[in-house]
Amino acid sequence: QSALTQPPSASGSPGQSVTISCTGSSTDVGGFKFVSWYQQHPGKAPKLLIYEVTKRPSGVPDRFSGSKSANTASLTVSGLQAEDEADYYCGSYGGNDNFIFGTGTRVSVL
Amino acid sequence: DVQLVESGGALVQPGGSLRLSCSASGFSVSTSYMSWVRQAPGKGLEWVSFIYGGGTRYYADFVKGRFTISRDRSENTLFLQMSNLRAEDTAVYYCAGLYNTNWAHPWWGQGTLVTVSS
Repeated sequence: QSALTQPPSASGSPGQSVTISCTGSSTDVGGFKFVSWYQQHPGKAPKLLIYEVTKRPSGVPDRFSGSKSANTASLTVSGLQAEDEADYYCGSYGGNDNFIFGTGTRVSVL
Repeated sequence: DVQLVESGGALVQPGGSLRLSCSASGFSVSTSYMSWVRQAPGKGLEWVSFIYGGGTRYYADFVKGRFTISRDRSENTLFLQMSNLRAEDTAVYYCAGLYNTNWAHPWWGQGTLVTVSS
């Protein structure tokens, strides 16, 4: 299966919001509630931000929120902070016991 | 606290083999869903393999028949045996622990670099 489609880049000023899309198909994003989002700083391991489309693990600020409509999931980062500058990846259960990551989006804080 | 520590990454020639290890603490490799994920230099994340708590294993098409995921209960360690390596397998390989019911990856190791080159 092909990677989920994300925009290569997104940006915003401190305090603003940025929304990242993640487009798949009815056999992955649209077919299951198992969409997750990850933040990765350079040289570091990914960090889980969102799971099951909208849920946040303990310790993740509520500035990070997720949603889904049909075959597209979205991550919104509100109140942008300098430390939010990173790469963001969506991921989805793909059916048939596989997992698909998105192409990744680099978020810049202007 | 959960900690996952990978090891075994190295420079290997095309066609060669390598075994990666992922030692876990604060977390049971043998009863949890576990995953290997890789990231080629400058590229995105790519799922490689799952092993479920019951032991069933799944692989991405691009490693089927070449890679084998396994675990050792006594050592609480996850493995990835890689054979017939290709240049395109060059990547940082991460092990990750999953929530058992929703395929989210909350726990990650620091990664180990595999370089396939002559």
